[in-house]
Amino acid sequence: DTGVSQDPRHKITKRGQNVTFRCDPISEHNRLYWYRQTLGQGPEFLTYFQNEAQLEKSRLLSDRFSAERPKGSFSTLEIQRTEQGDSAMYLCASSPFGGESRQFFGPGTRLTVL
Amino acid sequence: GDSVTQMEGPVTLSEEAFLTINCTYTATGYPSLFWYVQYPGEGLQLLLKATKADDKGSNKGFEATYRKETTSFHLEKGSVQVSDSAVYFCALSGKGAQKLVFGQGTRLTINP
Repeated sequence: DTGVSQDPRHKITKRGQNVTFRCDPISEHNRLYWYRQTLGQGPEFLTYFQNEAQLEKSRLLSDRFSAERPKGSFSTLEIQRTEQGDSAMYLCASSPFGGESRQFFGPGTRLTVL
Repeated sequence: GDSVTQMEGPVTLSEEAFLTINCTYTATGYPSLFWYVQYPGEGLQLLLKATKADDKGSNKGFEATYRKETTSFHLEKGSVQVSDSAVYFCALSGKGAQKLVFGQGTRLTINP
């Protein structure tokens, strides 16, 4: 049983650098979500895809953030010109289409911006 | 906007104690309500859910009842085990919405 996978698991970068994270959802799931979790807080929604279409974006997703899901399978989240405030755990989740679908979460990518 | 408030942690209990973790919410309409759990070193997992008023979600001995009148979804377990040590998150999904709105989480530690 392959769950949601994320790569890398950890990323350390210097302020001002660009970083890209990858998420591979469960294969039959056509919905994919990105969340951000800072220390001691619950996850906060960033954006959501249904197949390749990005249907919702949070105000948290500044212009430096961009997410893609080009073929409706894996997704990438890029952060340009990273800032120390971007340090967080970035979580990906997926769910099948329809109803009150349960979201399955990946292990997350922990980003540290020095 | 929609929001979830959980009781402050951390919570420390002895094995076999009774557990309650409070959760209240603010939302328009009638959201679906969830409890997620994050065990050390693992990703978030759905523990239980309820989709309409008076529904009771249950799993692994944990229960929570959707109370519309008090806008609450408190998590309970009659006898906790050391293996229940984890961080617990209450969350909601608004009607017609896909995103989850989470509370801040409650860290639970069970001592033998």
